[in-house]
Amino acid sequence: DAGVIQSPRHEVTEMGQEVTLRCKPISGHNSLFWYRQTMMRGLELLIYFNNNVPIDDSGMPEDRFSAKMPNASFSTLKIQPSEPRDSAVYFCASGQGMNTGELFFGEGSRLTVL
Amino acid sequence: QKEVEQDPGPLSVPEGAIVSLNCTYSNSAFQYFMWYRQYSRKGPELLMYTYSSGNKEDGRFTAQVDKSSKYISLFIRDSQPSDSATYLCAIKGILQGAQKLVFGQGTRLTINP
Repeated sequence: DAGVIQSPRHEVTEMGQEVTLRCKPISGHNSLFWYRQTMMRGLELLIYFNNNVPIDDSGMPEDRFSAKMPNASFSTLKIQPSEPRDSAVYFCASGQGMNTGELFFGEGSRLTVL
Repeated sequence: QKEVEQDPGPLSVPEGAIVSLNCTYSNSAFQYFMWYRQYSRKGPELLMYTYSSGNKEDGRFTAQVDKSSKYISLFIRDSQPSDSATYLCAIKGILQGAQKLVFGQGTRLTINP
């Protein structure tokens, strides 16, 4: 199994630009999570989906952030417009339901907003 | 107050030392306790998982949970340079009506040969 696949691995953009991060979860997993990691705040949950339905988006910082999961094998996290404070590593993770705490993380998308 | 508190370190010890990593949490709704390991420029991966108070051992690693004190620990015996990584505690429970997995900030550990 290829694991959770994220793209792009690195993105450098200018303030005000739209950023789209992509994730392909592990086949058969029905929960998908987007996390953001910074030195100051650690790993923060932004949103999670169960069976493609958003369950909890209380961690999404503001309306500039949106996430979609149109099918079981694909999700996007979009930031529009981007700001320098959005610079972070964004992780996608998938799991087999929420009965266990085992999540499988991708390698992350490192975003730098200038 | 953060839901999960973890000393970010960094922590540097010589090879072979016993390492102790700790987290505290604030909400008794948390039910499951995990430790994830994250190597540089990689995603976190599950190291250990436990549900009840007490100890759980896996090779050189021991996870300890004290629900009465809301305190969890990870011990690494005979530490190796390959153990150098960031260790994140993670706690799961039902908060605000939804199942949530909340991570500590992570402790960066270096084992010196």
